[in-house]
Amino acid sequence: DVKVTQSSRYLVKRTGEKVFLECVQDMDHENMFWYRQDPGLGLRLIYFSYDVKMKEKGDIPEGYSVSREKKERFSLILESASTNQTSMYLCASRRGGESADTQYFGPGTRLTVL
Amino acid sequence: AQTVTQSQPEMSVQEAETVTLSCTYDTSESDYYLFWYKQPPSRQMILVIRQEAYKQQNATENRFSVNFQKAAKSFSLKISDSQLGDAAMYFCAYRRMRGGADGLTFGKGTHLIIQP
Repeated sequence: DVKVTQSSRYLVKRTGEKVFLECVQDMDHENMFWYRQDPGLGLRLIYFSYDVKMKEKGDIPEGYSVSREKKERFSLILESASTNQTSMYLCASRRGGESADTQYFGPGTRLTVL
Repeated sequence: AQTVTQSQPEMSVQEAETVTLSCTYDTSESDYYLFWYKQPPSRQMILVIRQEAYKQQNATENRFSVNFQKAAKSFSLKISDSQLGDAAMYFCAYRRMRGGADGLTFGKGTHLIIQP
């Protein structure tokens, strides 16, 4: 059974704090993704990675960075959290290549920045 | 840039009836994939159905089917015999075929309510 796990379901942080969101997949997938989900806006891609240490900006990378030191783990970093980063964050993974394979999503992390 | 539009923020249907969710998209690519994802209140996003743009035949998965109109850039989802467990947010998503690592471009979602 495929699995994508995220380190926290709920997280509360203060403005200016450095925040780490962790994602782990057990499917040996090459591609991993971070999205944020906001009501009325759907999901928007923040960053993605197609291999260890490789990363690409998505549609809304400002204020975020990522790290992928191991194939199974993809971290999203908020260097200095701000209130406008309060959101639901979803991690996903997918096998490499150009097939129609689905992305598998984690349960999400609800981040509140006070 | 690709865009995906879901024009129905909310839909309501009686249990056992049929409902159609609309999705249109804009792309200059000729080869791409389209997906419908379901997100129940528990928040885990799961795939409902997928369509390869080069296939003319509409995809079907049990009670779920799509009406894919490539020229019109339309990709609607039909749910037959609606069940209470179908209540969820439904997202239409696009991914181009070339550039295999690309993420998905999502619509804003349709909240589907099932009336018992």
